[in-house]
Amino acid sequence: TQLLEQSPQFLSIQEGENLTVYCNSSSVFSSLQWYRQEPGEGPVLLVTVVTGGEVKKLKRLTFQFGDARKDSSLHITAAQTGDTGLYLCQRAGGTSYGKLTFGQGTILTVHP
Amino acid sequence: KAGVTQTPRYLIKTRGQQVTLSCSPISGHRSVSWYQQTPGQGLQFLFEYFSETQRNKGNFPGRFSGRQFSNSRSEMNVSTLELGDSALYLCASSSGGLGAYNEQFFGPGTRLTVL
Repeated sequence: TQLLEQSPQFLSIQEGENLTVYCNSSSVFSSLQWYRQEPGEGPVLLVTVVTGGEVKKLKRLTFQFGDARKDSSLHITAAQTGDTGLYLCQRAGGTSYGKLTFGQGTILTVHP
Repeated sequence: KAGVTQTPRYLIKTRGQQVTLSCSPISGHRSVSWYQQTPGQGLQFLFEYFSETQRNKGNFPGRFSGRQFSNSRSEMNVSTLELGDSALYLCASSSGGLGAYNEQFFGPGTRLTVL
């Protein structure tokens, strides 16, 4: 089973600050998905990155896939209180589809 | 198109009872995966069904079982409930292919509390 390590586990910042969340693995994965989850709800897919070195932007969120496809990052610019939530990365695809492929998550709290 | 639906949203049971949770995937999706989410363990994979067959299984005891119907709807059953089974149970649907773009879409979850 290939584990994903996310860091930091907790992040508490003020509105307007920037932040970066990391997702790392010792193994290469074919693609990676980022989700955001609010309390009491299911995770909502934000993006899928597939190509090594790929950068995708979603408004103030920038997602990057490492060149070696072993790591990924999520950068939020000028955080807002609405960004508060649990951010999860998940390894996608492959024959062991679905098996223990989520990182532990980063709980982000943005204070007004 | 409609998203993934799960019923019930909340459930309270006592130890020793059994429970059945239901998931209706997005129309056209043939794969349904189940996850257990707790504060301490995060999201843990239970099993995945594709075209009525269990295709992958996580490391949970046999008390946890599931099935999928011909219309792709899935049920998950937990027998002889334990206090530690209290969790948010999430169902995710996808088209079911094994390629890189096999994106999962999650339902809102069923919050199970075992007393």
